[in-house]
Amino acid sequence: ETAVFQTPNYHVTQVGNEVSFNCKQTLGHDTMYWYKQDSKKLLKIMFSYNNKQLIVNETVPRRFSPQSSDKAHLNLRIKSVEPEDSAVYLCASSAGTGVDTQYFGPGTRLLVL
Amino acid sequence: SQLAEENPWALSVHEGESVTVNCSYKTSITALQWYRQKSGEGPAQLILIRSNEREKRNGRLRATLDTSSQSSSLSITATRCEDTAVYFCATDSSGSWQLIFGSGTQLTVMP
Repeated sequence: ETAVFQTPNYHVTQVGNEVSFNCKQTLGHDTMYWYKQDSKKLLKIMFSYNNKQLIVNETVPRRFSPQSSDKAHLNLRIKSVEPEDSAVYLCASSAGTGVDTQYFGPGTRLLVL
Repeated sequence: SQLAEENPWALSVHEGESVTVNCSYKTSITALQWYRQKSGEGPAQLILIRSNEREKRNGRLRATLDTSSQSSSLSITATRCEDTAVYFCATDSSGSWQLIFGSGTQLTVMP
């Protein structure tokens, strides 16, 4: 049963464009995350957002920014995409942080031409 | 470098066989989680085993944890084709906000 929803499923764009991905969770969780998964299936945390506190992985380029209207929504914006941004972007949520179980959405696949 | 790592990188078995995936990690942890990711889907948790537990079961799945050797294993008995997926272990570095995923083991179950 899906409780973390992501749109779009797939997006193709040109280098330099801006893209935005949406994520919504219906679990009532307090924390949401964005991960990047590369072609080798490696999962890297990008952001964690909890009670309006944003924690950023220091390796994430500045062109990436999360946007949240409430605790059920966490969108991801990428200004001026680059070829290395091609990946699957996964949104997740959890009740708390750290050890709590994370529930993932199906992902948004981005292809930058 | 990865704080958690599964091995082997890939496995193939036939339906009905048992299989074990191993995980090694590098930090003290509060708990270790096993996730499964099927093609086209996000990861889904299978088992969470806390640092004071040695074994946890969930149906056909059995996870073990050895904090002295910083290792864990996930065993699947009576495998089915639908068990085909990438299996990840994930750890929290004690006190950290992050859940760190290993690089995953691709399991293929053949008819």
